Order: sequence, then C-alpha cells, then structure tokens
Amino acid sequence: GEDVEQSLFLSVREGDSSVINCTYTDSSSTYLYWYKQEPGAGLQLLTYIFSNMDMKQDQRLTVLLNKKDKHLSLRIADTQTGDSAIYFCAESRSSGYALNFGKGTSLLVTP
Amino acid sequence: GAVVSQHPSRVICKSGTSVKIECRSLDFQATTMFWYRQFPKQSLMLMATSNEGSKATYEQGVEKDKFLINHASLTLSTLTVTSAHPEDSSFYICSASLSLGSLYGYTFGSGTRLTVV
Repeated sequence: GEDVEQSLFLSVREGDSSVINCTYTDSSSTYLYWYKQEPGAGLQLLTYIFSNMDMKQDQRLTVLLNKKDKHLSLRIADTQTGDSAIYFCAESRSSGYALNFGKGTSLLVTP
Repeated sequence: GAVVSQHPSRVICKSGTSVKIECRSLDFQATTMFWYRQFPKQSLMLMATSNEGSKATYEQGVEKDKFLINHASLTLSTLTVTSAHPEDSSFYICSASLSLGSLYGYTFGSGTRLTVV
C-alpha cells in the first residue's frame, strides 16, 4: 500500500514547541489526520485537515500541509508533560476507506 | 458524541481457545467498521473492513478463518480470534468511519489487549 512516514522519536522541554513531521505518497489522499495514543489506550483524534487546505489551527495545535511535497506537520505550542504520547499521522481517500497510518512519533516532554 | 465502545479492554486466554471482541457504536450508526492490530511500539495494521450486512474484506495475509468478523447490525461489529495462539497476542482496535456535519473522520474504540498463554 501507500506509505506514510514519520520520524520515530522527538524530545522537547516543557514550554517549548514540538513539531512532528509526516510524509505520504498517495496523491489521492483527501483527508489527513493526527492522532494521539497514550500508553495502553486507544487513539484520540487531535485534528484533521483536508487536502485543499494549507493550514489549520486549533488552540495549541497547528497543522501545515504542503500538498505538492506531500508533507504534513503538527506543531504543538507550549508543550506540556501531559503531551507525552505517541502521535500518528494518517491519511485516507474518504471516510469509506480505512486509514493508512504512519509508524508513530514518540514525543517525550521533559520538565 | 460518536463514541465506539470496545470490550473487553483486556483478556488473557489459553492457547486453543477463542476470544470475541465487541465494538458498539453508541450514538451513531456505523455502516463501516475497521479492525486494526497493533504490535508493541508499532503502527496500526489494518486487518479487515466490515460493512453492515455483508462479508468483511480482509487485508492480504490476514486469515479470515482465524479472525472472524461479524457486522450484523449498524451498531455492533465483533472480531473473534479462533483457536488463539501466543503469536496472536496483540492490541486490537476497532474504528468506525463517520461523517457528522463538518467533521469527517474516524472514531476508535479503546482497544483490547489480548494475551494468549
């Protein structure tokens, strides 16, 4: 299937901004998502963006999409220790298709 | 809204037995449900897509006779791991696709940790 790639690990200090990057290969991707998974838990939808958008901001979260380069990023402002988790980038063509996930980026926030 | 309730959250079973995992959509109708498997420190791998009232579509390499999926109603999909073996130990997550007004996305169950001993 099509690939979704993410860096595997990111460490930041509390209060700094975190930027998690993702690239995908499917040019038919219409919806792009960021999910958060805490240890032993399911997935929590953080935010999503449509392929016809360049940027979306939601409180501390900013998503940037470069459709030409098939690059998606998630910026978390004022990162807190509670933000430590695994963040998955995912894409799909439509809601009738399964999500295609990246391997996840493990974010560690240190005091 | 748009909650998927998944049970059990954790199960330990003996080799050779079968385990059923249920996913219920509590406040919406899930015409399509996806079942994923996640190994430790790895991504979610799609196992199958189930549509209400029809046979599930399995991904390549997933044994349909071992992982039985039933989606008999718009609010319930089940995954039965038959004749479980230790290599089936994993984290299983269901997901329903939904389209609610301006929110397009998927909602996930909380996952089932299966350990086969």
